[in-house]
Amino acid sequence: TQLLEQSPQFLSIQEGENLTVYCNSSSVFSSLQWYRQEPGEGPVLLVTVVTGGEVKKLKRLTFQFGDARKDSSLHITAAQPGDTGLYLCAPGGGADGLTFGKGTHLIIQP
Amino acid sequence: DSGVTQTPKHLITATGQRVTLRCSPRSGDLSVYWYQQSLDQGLQFLIQYYNGEERAKGNILERFSAQQFPDLHSELNLSSLELGDSALYFCASSPSGDYGYTFGSGTRLTVV
Repeated sequence: TQLLEQSPQFLSIQEGENLTVYCNSSSVFSSLQWYRQEPGEGPVLLVTVVTGGEVKKLKRLTFQFGDARKDSSLHITAAQPGDTGLYLCAPGGGADGLTFGKGTHLIIQP
Repeated sequence: DSGVTQTPKHLITATGQRVTLRCSPRSGDLSVYWYQQSLDQGLQFLIQYYNGEERAKGNILERFSAQQFPDLHSELNLSSLELGDSALYFCASSPSGDYGYTFGSGTRLTVV
């Protein structure tokens, strides 16, 4: 089992601020997926990063895969209340079910 | 609508009882995955089926079982329910799993 540690566990900031959350492991991943989950709903896939050093942008969200493919970060610029949710990372590329990190609970206050 | 349908959305039952949760995967997806999510344990992988056959097992209790039918829908059976089984149960589907999973909206199970 590839263990993923996500930090911080909880983050509450004001609208308009920037933030970064992290997903770390001692294992090397062939790819890594980020999901966002809103209360009472299932996780929704945001992005898959595949190449070490890769940077992907999704509007105000920037995802980076570490050069060694052991870690990843998600940076949100000018956070909005709609960004509130649980952000989960998981290693992709396996035939088995994803092993999710425990996630970062993000609250953006208006 | 993600394309993955789970029923029922809510379920309240007593300890010792048995329930069945149902999942219809997204059209074309052969793999179905079941997850349990509780506040203290996060999202835990239970079991995977691929085209009707069990492919992988995670942290699934012996009191729990699942199957995938020829039309690819899947059912998760939970028996001898305990208070600690109260959780959100999610189903996800994928064509291959390598590049993303589509989750349903979940079934909230409350055992009283």
